[in-house]
Amino acid sequence: DTGVSQNPRHKITKRGQNVTFRCDPISEHNRLYWYRQTLGQGPEFLTYFQNEAQLEKSRLLSDRFSAERPKGSFSTLEIQRTEQGDSAMYLCASSLGSQGTGYTFGSGTRLTVV
Amino acid sequence: RKEVEQDPGPFNVPEGATVAFNCTYSNSASQSFFWYRQDCRKEPKLLMSVYSSGNEDGRFTAQLNRASQYISLLIRDSKLSDSATYLCVVAHNNAGNMLTFGGGTRLMVKP
Repeated sequence: DTGVSQNPRHKITKRGQNVTFRCDPISEHNRLYWYRQTLGQGPEFLTYFQNEAQLEKSRLLSDRFSAERPKGSFSTLEIQRTEQGDSAMYLCASSLGSQGTGYTFGSGTRLTVV
Repeated sequence: RKEVEQDPGPFNVPEGATVAFNCTYSNSASQSFFWYRQDCRKEPKLLMSVYSSGNEDGRFTAQLNRASQYISLLIRDSKLSDSATYLCVVAHNNAGNMLTFGGGTRLMVKP
């Protein structure tokens, strides 16, 4: 499968716990993006990487959120001390350069904080 | 005010109908425009890019009016399988190709 892969698909966690999600982009894509989508809304930008460098972060990304892409390949998104408001679909996408083309999204990780 | 605004719908139409969705965007620096389709509990998938000259892909036609900052999508001869949420998307190519999504318009095509 040469698409964008995200793991896990679903995660249920108790409030206050830490969670980590993984994204494996399309191998030749140098840009990787994280988005969050809540019910009835469009995806909202969280952060993006060009290779291993994190170049932009949304103000939605509070101090409890951290993302890494250590070797410019896969990325992880960690949420510390989860809150119920963190419940959402976390989408990863990748693209090649800045050609103004659309992204390829992964299937997402659905987080439920109870 | 959201940067990309769409009527959330739902639009309920019979099979075979023609339906049009509109979208407005507020950032005049936007340079690329897209329509994405999202099925329930699935990821968004690129439906088509939108060009100033207008473009067509089968039953789908997209138009862009830069002066009015307005984007449209027309679906002709709608099928049951067209039922989905349609997301209007803009990109600022000087900002890492970050995409900004509208809230989506839900389409329900009925037999």
